[in-house]
Amino acid sequence: DAKTTQPNSMESNEEEPVHLPCNHSTISGTDYIHWYRQLPSQGPEYVIHGLTSNVNNRMASLAIAEDRKSSTLILHRATLRDAAVYYCILRDVSTGFQKLVFGTGTRLLVSP
Amino acid sequence: NAGVTQTPKFQVLKTGQSMTLQCAQDMNHEYMSWYRQDPGMGLRLIHYSVGAGITDQGEVPNGYNVSRSTTEDFPLRLLSAAPSQTSVYFCASSRKTAATEAFFGQGTRLTVV
Repeated sequence: DAKTTQPNSMESNEEEPVHLPCNHSTISGTDYIHWYRQLPSQGPEYVIHGLTSNVNNRMASLAIAEDRKSSTLILHRATLRDAAVYYCILRDVSTGFQKLVFGTGTRLLVSP
Repeated sequence: NAGVTQTPKFQVLKTGQSMTLQCAQDMNHEYMSWYRQDPGMGLRLIHYSVGAGITDQGEVPNGYNVSRSTTEDFPLRLLSAAPSQTSVYFCASSRKTAATEAFFGQGTRLTVV
């Protein structure tokens, strides 16, 4: 399983943009980049995923480096509800069942 | 939509007892899986299934059994509970195409005393 590296924690103020980085230097051509988040006492929740191009959805944006060795999850205006642990995960879609390999993620703290 | 439903939400067991954690999904997903999450750590895969009648081991399968008789249900059995199995358990489901999202249940918090 290709490995990802994320900072342990980040802080933000409410209503400010947040950029959560992820390094994945050993990514393969068939790996999708997925982001999940886990709110306190809840199960992980899908945020966004992408392969090569930047992606936007109602929750966030995903910016993928041209060489695909890093990516950044962008929350455009952080709210208190966005305080969670964010996981960057690579999923190889080339064969069979692809387990989600969770690291320790980035704990995002949002201050009022 | 109900999504992925896990029961019970909380459970306390004595060492040596057995029990079954229930997981059901109503999205007709082929893939289902069980993870455990220990304090301060990410999730680790216990068992998974790619369809009814097909199961396989993940990275931490010892002490757990699974079966998949229907598409909707994927129960996790603890054969003889041990304190080391104290954890939060999450069930997940997804479509066969892994470029899509996985859906997780709310978790079962299990304490073995």
